[in-house]
Amino acid sequence: DAGVIQSPRHEVTEMGQEVTLRCKPISGHNSLFWYRQTMMRGLELLIYFNNNVPIDDSGMPEDRFSAKMPNASFSTLKIQPSEPRDSAVYFCASSPQGALEKLFFGSGTQLSVL
Amino acid sequence: KQEVTQIPAALSVPEGENLVLNCSFTDSAIYNLQWFRQDPGKGLTSLLLIQSSQREQTSGRLNASLDKSSGRSTLYIAASQPGDSATYLCAVSGATNKLIFGTGTLLAVQP
Repeated sequence: DAGVIQSPRHEVTEMGQEVTLRCKPISGHNSLFWYRQTMMRGLELLIYFNNNVPIDDSGMPEDRFSAKMPNASFSTLKIQPSEPRDSAVYFCASSPQGALEKLFFGSGTQLSVL
Repeated sequence: KQEVTQIPAALSVPEGENLVLNCSFTDSAIYNLQWFRQDPGKGLTSLLLIQSSQREQTSGRLNASLDKSSGRSTLYIAASQPGDSATYLCAVSGATNKLIFGTGTLLAVQP
C-alpha cells in the first residue's frame, strides 16, 4: 500500500483565496483525521471521520474551515477565505478503527498564506 | 480536558548512550498511548502503541512503559545512533476516540 497520500505538498496563496487540501487514506481504514501543526500550538486535531461520517469537528477553528469525505478513499479540507494565521502544516491520518489502533500519517501539506 | 506534556523539549546526547524521554498526561482514563517519530519536513511514524491494560511495549532498541495511574509514560532508546535524531511525540486516546498529542522532544544524537 502506498500509505496515506496528501496533495499538494506545498501551497502558497494570497490572503482571501480559497485553499483545498486533499487526502487519500489507506485502503480499508475506516477512520480519517485532519491535524494542523504549528510551532506555537503543536499538533491540533481539526476533525475526524468514521466510515465517511464526521464524528467530531470541535477542533475546526471557525466557519472558514470545512471538511468533507464523499467516499472511503477521499477527503478534502477547505479554507475559504484563507488568512495568514492559517499558515501551518496540515496532516491527514487514517487508521483501521479510530484512535484505538495505530494512526498512519501522510507527509503533510505545507500551507503559506501571504 | 486532557493535556499531554513532554520533558525535556530538546535533548542532545553522544552516540551510543541510552536515553529516556518522558511523557505525562492529566487524565488517567485513557484507552492507549502511542509514541511517534517525526523527521524534519515529514509526517509522523508510529513507533509503539501501549494499550491501557499493558505496562510496556518493545520494538528493537525501543521500549515504552506506561503507568496509567500516575499519568506517565517513558520511551527508552538503547544504544542511540545518529539516525535516531528526530522529534519524538507521545499521544493519548480516551473516551472521545481522539488522539491528543504532546509538544514533542527534539532529539539530537551526535556522532
